[in-house]
This record gives sequence, C-alpha cells and structure tokens, in this order.
Amino acid sequence: GENVEQHPSTLSVQEGDSAVIKCTYSDSASNYFPWYKQELGKRPQLIIDIRSNVGEKKDQRIAVTLNKTAKHFSLHITETQPEDSAVYFCAAKPPSNDYKLSFGAGTTVTVRA
Amino acid sequence: DVKVTQSSRYLVKRTGEKVFLECVQDMDHENMFWYRQDPGLGLRLIYFSYDVKMKEKGDIPEGYSVSREKKERFSLILESASTNQTSMYLCASSLWDRGYEQYFGPGTRLTVT
Repeated sequence: GENVEQHPSTLSVQEGDSAVIKCTYSDSASNYFPWYKQELGKRPQLIIDIRSNVGEKKDQRIAVTLNKTAKHFSLHITETQPEDSAVYFCAAKPPSNDYKLSFGAGTTVTVRA
Repeated sequence: DVKVTQSSRYLVKRTGEKVFLECVQDMDHENMFWYRQDPGLGLRLIYFSYDVKMKEKGDIPEGYSVSREKKERFSLILESASTNQTSMYLCASSLWDRGYEQYFGPGTRLTVT
C-alpha cells in the first residue's frame, strides 16, 4: 500500500517567519494530496489539497507544491501567526476505487511570539 | 455544516472488556472511516465502509471489528480490550461526489487499564 513519510516531526518558528513541511510518498500513481490541521484538543480539518495534475496551489498564506518526479509534496506557511500552531498531517490517495487516504505521522508546529 | 459526532470524549475500560465506539454523521455520507491516533504515528486507518453493511480492512484491523447497519452510523468494536489499544480514536466521513475530503469527529480518548 501507499507509504507516506513526513518531516520534520516538530518545527518551531518565530512569528512572521515561514514554515515548510515535506512529505514523500511511495506510489507514483497516487493522485490526490491533502493537508489537515489539528489544533490542540480539536479534530483534524482540511486546509488545502492538490491533485496530481497541478504543480502548485496557494490559498492566502498557505501553499502546497507537488513534485511528481521526486514523489514529494510540501506545505508552505508564510508570515506565521500564533494561530498556526498545530499538528499538520499530509496524506496521499492511491489510485484505487475507494476513498481512503494514507496519512503521514504529523508535524507539530509551534509559532513563537 | 457537516457534523460528525462520537458517543464519548473519554472512556476508561478494563482489560478484556468489550468496547463499543459509535460515530454518527448527519450529512448522508457514503464513506465512513475509523482511525487511531498515536503520538509519532499519525492517523492509522483501522476499518472503513463505503456503504451500509459493507466494510473493508484498513492498515491495522487486528483486534477490532466494525458494524454499519445504518448509513449514518459506524461502530467500532473492541471484542476484548487490551492495554495496547489505549489511544485516541477518530471517526471520519466523506461523500462520493465531493472529492476526497474527510470530515472528522471530535475523537474518543480510550484508556484500557
């Protein structure tokens, strides 16, 4: 099955700086790559996603890039704010008929004021 | 707004007990999922279901079973709870024609003593 690796496991940044989280996947045919954010004590929520026919997608201060050749994708957060502190999960969807996702292990991001 | 609810936020059970975790979604979603979340391991899929009475094994089904008798309800069953099943359990649901976004419940923190 699909294997997703996520790095780093923890990330501490100064408020206003950028944060980058990287994920690699094993199945070259995977075609959908979402990112979920889980604030402390809350449920994970989708923040951005990208499909395999797109190289980059941006939504305000967050962006995701996809490199299909290298089988990796990244989340970029610019001008970080305290409310960006959370655990971020990447995921990949293999090309199967079901709707399941394979998640990475998560990155705990702490934004220092 | 999609609402996914879980029967308990916190649960304490003894080794060997049979445990039922229930998940209900109110948006007529076909797909439902059960994950366990452990530090450093991310979200691991236990079972999923794409229709009433249908179930598929995820990545870590051992020691668990599921039931989906109604479209809105997906139950996770621990036939004989063990201490290594102490974890956070998250339920999620998704809709066939709305892409692959999964909506998560608030989670159940299960402790097996």
